Amino acid sequence: GAVVSQHPSRVICKSGTSVKIECRSLDFQATTMFWYRQFPKKSLMLMATSNEGSKATYEQGVEKDKFLINHASLTLSTLTVTSAHPEDSSFYICSARRQSGTEAFFGQGTRLTVV
Amino acid sequence: AQSVTQLGSHVSVSEGALVLLRCNYSSSVPPYLFWYVQYPNQGLQLLLKYTSAATLVKGINGFEAEFKKSETSFHLTKPSAHMSDAAEYFCAVSDNTDKLIFGTGTRLQVFP
Repeated sequence: GAVVSQHPSRVICKSGTSVKIECRSLDFQATTMFWYRQFPKKSLMLMATSNEGSKATYEQGVEKDKFLINHASLTLSTLTVTSAHPEDSSFYICSARRQSGTEAFFGQGTRLTVV
Repeated sequence: AQSVTQLGSHVSVSEGALVLLRCNYSSSVPPYLFWYVQYPNQGLQLLLKYTSAATLVKGINGFEAEFKKSETSFHLTKPSAHMSDAAEYFCAVSDNTDKLIFGTGTRLQVFP
């Protein structure tokens, strides 16, 4: 199967700072990447869909200025949480797929803690 | 609009017993249905998927699920639980836009 790698796996940052999470497809070119947020004991919530070379499409209720998504290449997408606050603490997961209709592969997730 | 309901946030079984995790869906179009497994602090791994072919879908690790349109269900089963099956399981539905809508998950515990 294809491999999607997220980095870092865990990050602790101070309130007010920004943190960047990387999602890489290691052995395939991903035309589309998805970013999810998972709350404790809750399901995964799709935050945004990003296609390589174009602006991300955000889901309703997700602040695009707070959660900056960049998909500059076919193997890398980044999620930057700007001016992080404790309520942004969560588990963030990305997934990537080659093309529409194919399986999306998930990264191992990033545990963000804002103190 | 699509949605998924997973009945039972926790399921406990003995090793060797039948595993049954329930999933009901709502969809205005023919759905694609998925089961994923998540181990602690990890991403999701696809167990199996239904894409309008055979209604009984076999997946990895001995799991299978049956699509029942009349019941709008896609329950996940495994004849004999193993300790390594302990994890969080998510059912998901998608239409042809590839957007996945996840259920709230079911935590499976397996006791020796």
